[in-house]
Amino acid sequence: AQTVTQSQPEMSVQEAETVTLSCTYDTSESDYYLFWYKQPPSRQMILVIRQEAYKQQNATENRFSVNFQKAAKSFSLKISDSQLGDAAMYFCAYRRGYGNKLVFGAGTILRVKS
Amino acid sequence: GAVVSQHPSWVICKSGTSVKIECRSLDFQATTMFWYRQFPKQSLMLMATSNEGSKATYEQGVEKDKFLINHASLTLSTLTVTSAHPEDSSFYICSASTQSTNEKLFFGSGTQLSVL
Repeated sequence: AQTVTQSQPEMSVQEAETVTLSCTYDTSESDYYLFWYKQPPSRQMILVIRQEAYKQQNATENRFSVNFQKAAKSFSLKISDSQLGDAAMYFCAYRRGYGNKLVFGAGTILRVKS
Repeated sequence: GAVVSQHPSWVICKSGTSVKIECRSLDFQATTMFWYRQFPKQSLMLMATSNEGSKATYEQGVEKDKFLINHASLTLSTLTVTSAHPEDSSFYICSASTQSTNEKLFFGSGTQLSVL
């Protein structure tokens, strides 16, 4: 079974600074998708970034970027120029493929200090 | 972007009663819907996967007779918590998957269930 591990229960970052959230996963599949979701206090799940395993290039979305290391099964999220609105719970997630379920990590609470 | 509407946002009910939660895809056909449960400050745990017109597939440990899932159309799935008890109090979230080669997954806004 696939598993997703987030080893940082909580992280703090100063406003305008950079923070990296860690995620590792375990799978025997060669083709899959990885995601980072943000869940603010409203509890609405918001897609931050998505990575297809077959793509070697790391995904980026404005201030958000990932470091995808397929051999090491690592998928970290870097948030640059952190803003107060980035404070939330962040979940790393894995999906085997089309139509399949998302498997979530335990989550990392990110606090942004002004 | 695609929208998934989930209702109600919150519900309080008495122990022993049943509660129905609706999840609608507003501008796309959702061939697959997923129901998750989330306890405070914890992760989302998948309860079941439902495909339109088929019986739902439940995850291990989830009581199918207690959590009834219906996915009768391509735009609506419902989760009914039958004979609810205080331990069923939780945040329930649905998500819907589009049927396309560029498949995407969209989440509802969730339902907070409190059983007294």
